[in-house]
Amino acid sequence: GIQVEQSPPDLILQEGANSTLRCNFSDSVNNLQWFHQNPWGQLINLFYIPSGTKQNGRLSATTVATERYSLLYISSSQTTDSGVYFCAVQGGGADGLTFGKGTHLIIQP
Amino acid sequence: EAQVTQNPRYLITVTGKKLTVTCSQNMNHEYMSWYRQDPGLGLRQIYYSMNVEVTDKGDVPEGYKVSRKEKRNFPLILESPSPNQTSLYFCASSYRGYEQYFGPGTRLTVT
Repeated sequence: GIQVEQSPPDLILQEGANSTLRCNFSDSVNNLQWFHQNPWGQLINLFYIPSGTKQNGRLSATTVATERYSLLYISSSQTTDSGVYFCAVQGGGADGLTFGKGTHLIIQP
Repeated sequence: EAQVTQNPRYLITVTGKKLTVTCSQNMNHEYMSWYRQDPGLGLRQIYYSMNVEVTDKGDVPEGYKVSRKEKRNFPLILESPSPNQTSLYFCASSYRGYEQYFGPGTRLTVT
């Protein structure tokens, strides 16, 4: 099946800093999504982005499908951005999403 | 309010006692799925359903059953739970597999 690798696995930043999270995948995809799991366990969909660039407030994402990677940018981090960020992809003939192991982000005040 | 609901949110049970975790969505989504989340293993898909009466296995289907009799409901059934099914379970729905919306999660402990 398709492999999904996220980096870095852990990231600690001060409030106000910017960050870039990366997702590499091993095969062509027709579906790529970014999720945020907050410290209470809730999973929130951030972007549906199989290709191209999208922005939503302080967050933006870019997927370069031909090179098999996606990037999530967080600008002016706030403590509420803390949690785990997951990349999930669908491809290689599968009908379901395959999740990466996530990036654990801690924003310190 | 558009949402995915799961019940119960927390459950402690004993080995072998059949249980059902319900999942319901009010967004008229065709696609629904179940995941389990375990430390170090991340989120793994158990079963998914492309529409009513259409279900298929995900990556870790052993020990689970599902049914999709109505578009809004997708219950997860553990016929004979075992301790290795202790996990955090999420239900999700989407329109044709696009943006997935997750329920709040069900924390299951099997002793």
